Amino acid sequence: DIVMTQSPDSLAVSLGERATINCKSGQSLLYSSNNKNHLAWYQQKPGQPPTLIIYWASTRESGVPDRFSGSGSGTDFTLTISSLQAEDVAVYYCQQYYTTPLTFGGGTKVEIK
Amino acid sequence: QVQLLQSGAEVKKPGASVKVSCKASGFTLTSYYMHWVRQAPGQGLEWMGTFYPSGKSTIYARKFQGRVTMTRDTSTSTIYMELSSLRSEDTAVYYCARGPPLGVTTWFDPWGQGSLVTVSS
Repeated sequence: DIVMTQSPDSLAVSLGERATINCKSGQSLLYSSNNKNHLAWYQQKPGQPPTLIIYWASTRESGVPDRFSGSGSGTDFTLTISSLQAEDVAVYYCQQYYTTPLTFGGGTKVEIK
Repeated sequence: QVQLLQSGAEVKKPGASVKVSCKASGFTLTSYYMHWVRQAPGQGLEWMGTFYPSGKSTIYARKFQGRVTMTRDTSTSTIYMELSSLRSEDTAVYYCARGPPLGVTTWFDPWGQGSLVTVSS
C-alpha cells in the first residue's frame, strides 16, 4: 500500500498570510504513460464531507479560488493557500490515486492565528 | 446538478449488518465509478472499495474483503454498501463518492453528505 504522510498535523496562520501543507508518498505518483502525478487534495470543514480542490497534483477544481495551488512531483507535494481567509479553516487531505488501495494522508488542520 | 443523497444514521449492535444507500441525481449512474470511503470519529479518510459502471465488478480494500458488499439498483439510481459482522471499530461516517469516468484509480468528486453508523451494545 502507498503510505501518504502529511505535515504538519496542524498549523495556525494569520489572516492574509500563506499556509503551506506538505504531503509525501511512499512511492512515486508520477505515471509514465501520461506523465501526470496521481495526487488530489481535499478540504473538509467541520460536519461536512470533503470537497475536491486539486487533482493531477496541480489542477484546480472548477470554482476553487485561485489562492489555492498545488505543486510537486514524484513523491513530494505541496498545497499552498497564498492568502488565508477565514473560510479556509478546515482539515486538508492529500490522496493518491496511482494504484489501489486508494490512500489518504492523515490530514492537516488549518486554523487562524 | 450532480448530487448524492445518502440514507440516515443507524445504530447497530456488534455482529449485526448495516446497509447504507446513496441515491444519485444529475448524472447517469451507469457511466461512473462509485466509491465508498469511511471516516471514524475524529480520524482520517479510508477508502473501502469501488463499484464499476458496468455493474459487473467491484474492488474492495483488503481490510474489508469478506465483510463488505457493494451493489447498485439502476431503476432507482441508487448504490448500496453493506457491511457485516460489525464491531465497535466500524463506528464511522460512511461516504459515497463519484469518480470521473477514467477508471478505478481517480479522485472523488462529489461526495454524499455522509451516513453515521454507530456500533454499540
